[in-house]
Amino acid sequence: QVQLVESGGGLVKPGGSLRLSCAASGFSVSDHSMSWIRQAPGKGLEWVSHISSGATIYYADSVRGRFAISRDSAKNSLYLQMSSLRAEDTAVYYCVRRGSEIFYFMDVWGKGTTVTVSS
Amino acid sequence: EIVMTQSPATLSVSPGERATLSCRASQSVSSNLAWYQQKPGQAPRLLIYGASTRATGIPARFSGSGSGTEFTLTISSLQSEDFAVYYCQQYNNWPPLTFGQGTKLEIK
Repeated sequence: QVQLVESGGGLVKPGGSLRLSCAASGFSVSDHSMSWIRQAPGKGLEWVSHISSGATIYYADSVRGRFAISRDSAKNSLYLQMSSLRAEDTAVYYCVRRGSEIFYFMDVWGKGTTVTVSS
Repeated sequence: EIVMTQSPATLSVSPGERATLSCRASQSVSSNLAWYQQKPGQAPRLLIYGASTRATGIPARFSGSGSGTEFTLTISSLQSEDFAVYYCQQYNNWPPLTFGQGTKLEIK
């Protein structure tokens, strides 16, 4: 069964760091492009970062230089290292799989993990 | 960056009736558009990709149309489980991948 399970969210002070994890099952994260998407409370969806099967990485302007995406093939997991966190980073963070190697719709979503940045 | 604009923000429809949701792109995205459904407390679910192709397991009452800058999601006969928030997303020009702000479909 294809599944994504995020973990690592929590309460962190402004300027702090947090590492999110996403464990995949039913497929290999190394064979697919993956992204992190976030949703602030009561708001819409915002793309955060992407890593391709070939390890090409992109970031949204709002997180570039503060967040780092990575993966571990042995653990079949995706990660998001977040540093210099701000109040506006407060959101539910979803791990998602790209549904096609040609087109970037997202066919598998995790349930999300909540990050709260507050003093 | 391509800006996606959805309308209306909220749509009130009675069960059994048809719902029509709109999504407009600030520049052409060809047919590289997806629709997602999100229920309260849940992750989004892929409904439509390629502007008109239903994802696996999506009922036939959901249909998508459009190309270029104007897109429509139609739900032909609303069921109780269809009341949710719907998002469109373009993947023609990225990064960044961009979403509309969502349309909340509520029971009239």
